[in-house]
Amino acid sequence: DAGVIQSPRHEVTEMGQEVTLRCKPISGHNSLFWYRQTMMRGLELLIYFNNNVPIDDSGMPEDRFSAKMPNASFSTLKIQPSEPRDSAVYFCASSFLSTGTGEKLFFGSGTQLSVL
Amino acid sequence: AQSVSQHNHHVILSEAASLELGCNYSYGGTVNLFWYVQYPGQHLQLLLKYFSGDPLVKGIKGFEAEFIKSKFSFNLRKPSVQWSDTAEYFCAVNGPDSWGKLQFGAGTQVVVTP
Repeated sequence: DAGVIQSPRHEVTEMGQEVTLRCKPISGHNSLFWYRQTMMRGLELLIYFNNNVPIDDSGMPEDRFSAKMPNASFSTLKIQPSEPRDSAVYFCASSFLSTGTGEKLFFGSGTQLSVL
Repeated sequence: AQSVSQHNHHVILSEAASLELGCNYSYGGTVNLFWYVQYPGQHLQLLLKYFSGDPLVKGIKGFEAEFIKSKFSFNLRKPSVQWSDTAEYFCAVNGPDSWGKLQFGAGTQVVVTP
């Protein structure tokens, strides 16, 4: 298996532009997570999906952030409009959850976002 | 609300030295505990996890962690580190019925010098 695949690896954009980050989870996994990593705040959970349904989006910082999972093999995280404080590494992770218990998460390589 | 506290932000040590990274959590109930590692330029990988049973958990690459319920701690240890252990280490916790939602600590950057 190729693991969790994220694209792009690096994104540099200007303030006000729309940014779309993409994630392909591991085949067969039923849960997908978007995390953001910054020096100041560490790793923060933004949103997660179970069976393509958003379960908890309380970590999404503002209305400028939105995430979708149209099918089991694809998810997007969109920032519109982007701001310099959105600069961070965004990780996608997936897992197979058979119960409500915590399971091992498989992380992608992340997208390094720089908003100028 | 649950929280995770890692005591050290940066640790520098020499090869063959022993490593212990502290992790304390705040959660009112049964917890699942994890240590993840992020090597330079790579994604996070699971080192070890505790769900139940023996509180001393052994993970990959010679790491182990001990769950001490009375102290709300899950410290990571390795008796003799190698240069390749240079990485950032994250403690994480979640509770039952949390559907994999992990609360991560701030991370500890470990640098092992030759």
